[in-house]
Amino acid sequence: IVMTQSPATLSLSPGERATLSCRASQSVSNNLAWYQQKPGQAPRLLIYDASTRATGVPVRFSGSGSGTEFTLTLSSLQSEDFAVYYCQQYHNWPKTFGQGTKVEIK
Amino acid sequence: QVQLVQSGDEVRKPGSSVRVSCKASGGTFGSYTITWMRQAPGQAPEWMGRIIPILGVPMYAQKFQGRVTITADKSATIAYMELSSLNSEDTAVYYCARGGFCSGATCSRRWFDPWGQGTLVTVSS
Repeated sequence: IVMTQSPATLSLSPGERATLSCRASQSVSNNLAWYQQKPGQAPRLLIYDASTRATGVPVRFSGSGSGTEFTLTLSSLQSEDFAVYYCQQYHNWPKTFGQGTKVEIK
Repeated sequence: QVQLVQSGDEVRKPGSSVRVSCKASGGTFGSYTITWMRQAPGQAPEWMGRIIPILGVPMYAQKFQGRVTITADKSATIAYMELSSLNSEDTAVYYCARGGFCSGATCSRRWFDPWGQGTLVTVSS
């Protein structure tokens, strides 16, 4: 399953809303996760089952969608949110990731 | 809360092999799979394979078949990933992560969490 994320880069200011998209080449039901990765760190789980926040993840992060179309929304960007975000399907083997969306400071 | 701790960075010559370990800190892997992934510079993570530690049953991505070997001890506290016939394109950060929950050989669909801290493998002559 090919995962396609858009846009590749999102340039925003602190306090703004960020909307990241992820599209699957075939249905993955709700078997989708979102991860945040900062330079030199391992990916950190944010969202699983498309819309469930992982433990300790702030409420400003929300996920939605099912089937082939998914969205990660950051309601009000904080300085620590500028990073790369990946979606990943775990519906079928092999488990695949999107190419990532970089959220950078405008 | 189990954490995954990986072995240190490695430098290898082309044609050689490397083995990376992933140890459970604060517990065991339990009945979960341990997955290995790698991430080349500027790229997304790539799934390489996984193992059910309590059964010792591996599964590999087709891309790495014949070149990767994933093992684990039956105490489900440490797992290994060995990659052979290394070339420069294998230079990447290698990660282990916990995956699906298994009942026997049947495992649930599950996200990856937690992850190890990563091991940089550099292949250079």
